[in-house]
Amino acid sequence: DGGITQSPKYLFRKEGQNVTLSCEQNLNHDAMYWYRQDPGQGLRLIYYSQIVNDFQKGDIAEGYSVSREKKESFPLTVTSAQKNPTAFYLCASSRSGTGSYNSPLHFGNGTRLTVT
Amino acid sequence: GDSVTQMEGPVTLSEEAFLTINCTYTATGYPSLFWYVQYPGEGLQLLLKATKADDKGSNKGFEATYRKETTSFHLEKGSVQVSDSAVYFCALSDANAGKSTFGDGTTLTVKP
Repeated sequence: DGGITQSPKYLFRKEGQNVTLSCEQNLNHDAMYWYRQDPGQGLRLIYYSQIVNDFQKGDIAEGYSVSREKKESFPLTVTSAQKNPTAFYLCASSRSGTGSYNSPLHFGNGTRLTVT
Repeated sequence: GDSVTQMEGPVTLSEEAFLTINCTYTATGYPSLFWYVQYPGEGLQLLLKATKADDKGSNKGFEATYRKETTSFHLEKGSVQVSDSAVYFCALSDANAGKSTFGDGTTLTVKP
């Protein structure tokens, strides 16, 4: 079955360490996204990529970095510069290109990051 | 810029009650509209969508109609079940923006 895999489900790190969250999709989607979700809040866009080797900052990109070297993969690095990194991180993908804006997002099951 | 405003929660209903979750939007173009559902500890799943004015999206007993005149996309279900307890997100996708905009989510709890 096609889908999005995020790993690990739970991640624990010490303050000051960088950590990379994995996101892989086999849906052949061009576009991929990273969202952050805090308790009781909506989704905030961190970074997104419409095509391989290209990505754009979302609303809260500071303290995060991404790469898009392969169509299937869009890893997110939470750096030590992110002041409040503890959160639930969601990766998503969708079709891209002309007429694709009516295509829904497909989400992974998320990674819960705890930094102490 | 684009924005989505959802009815604040949490919402608590008894089983078989009628559900309405309000959603209004602001967009510069002609967006597509979506409702997603999130169960505890999981990612979001598409519940239904509508791509143009007066379209009605429906799935699993849930319905929402794209109302351009009132810029709304309210979610309704005639008889909720305990298994409908989840967080519901309204969202829009604008061709000009190239990305989706989400509301803050509404938590629904259905009691037996």
